[in-house]
Amino acid sequence: NAGVTQTPKFQVLKTGQSMTLQCAQDMNHNSMYWYRQDPGMGLRLIYYSASEGTTDKGEVPNGYNVSRLNKREFSLRLESAAPSQTSVYFCASSEWKGNQPQHFGDGTRLSIL
Amino acid sequence: SQQGEEDPQALSIQEGENATMNCSYKTSINNLQWYRQNSGRGLVHLILIRSNEREKHSGRLRVTLDTSKKSSSLLITASRAADTASYFCATDARDYKLSFGAGTTVTVRA
Repeated sequence: NAGVTQTPKFQVLKTGQSMTLQCAQDMNHNSMYWYRQDPGMGLRLIYYSASEGTTDKGEVPNGYNVSRLNKREFSLRLESAAPSQTSVYFCASSEWKGNQPQHFGDGTRLSIL
Repeated sequence: SQQGEEDPQALSIQEGENATMNCSYKTSINNLQWYRQNSGRGLVHLILIRSNEREKHSGRLRVTLDTSKKSSSLLITASRAADTASYFCATDARDYKLSFGAGTTVTVRA
């Protein structure tokens, strides 16, 4: 039982390049989330998908786009990477939004030069 | 913006001792959750406590919630080396989106 799987685990990009981070969950969860974690700042919500077919902005959506490909998969795209997007990105899922524990992947460490 | 703020930022204790960390938040919540993060890994859910609950236990973990003071505490009893990690509180307030604090880093010395 893999839980939440993120690919890739590490990536280095040059400023202006594009990149898609992949996330898949095998727990039949309805809701999925993308966060970024920066030193000393905790996790900040980028986008979330309450259920298949819906996506909504979180706290820091600028510079990102998302696609809820199906119930299992939720991808995050950086169209034109900037150094300020250097971070660790976490995908999470929960059975439903609200009042539910979230299950996290192990993150993608992204550096933008 | 961060809704939850953990205190202290870092904590170092001897194996077998208890560790206590606190979380304060600003607005009314539906529930509060605690997570653990080991170095280089994702967050792992520990406990969820609802706004109408005052205390909850899970193994060596005890969580309290005081909604009048807008605060929560996490107690780890009889700590072990494996408890070395960062601990985060997360509040579920508006629109059921979780808001995380910056975390408490706990080091358990052998």
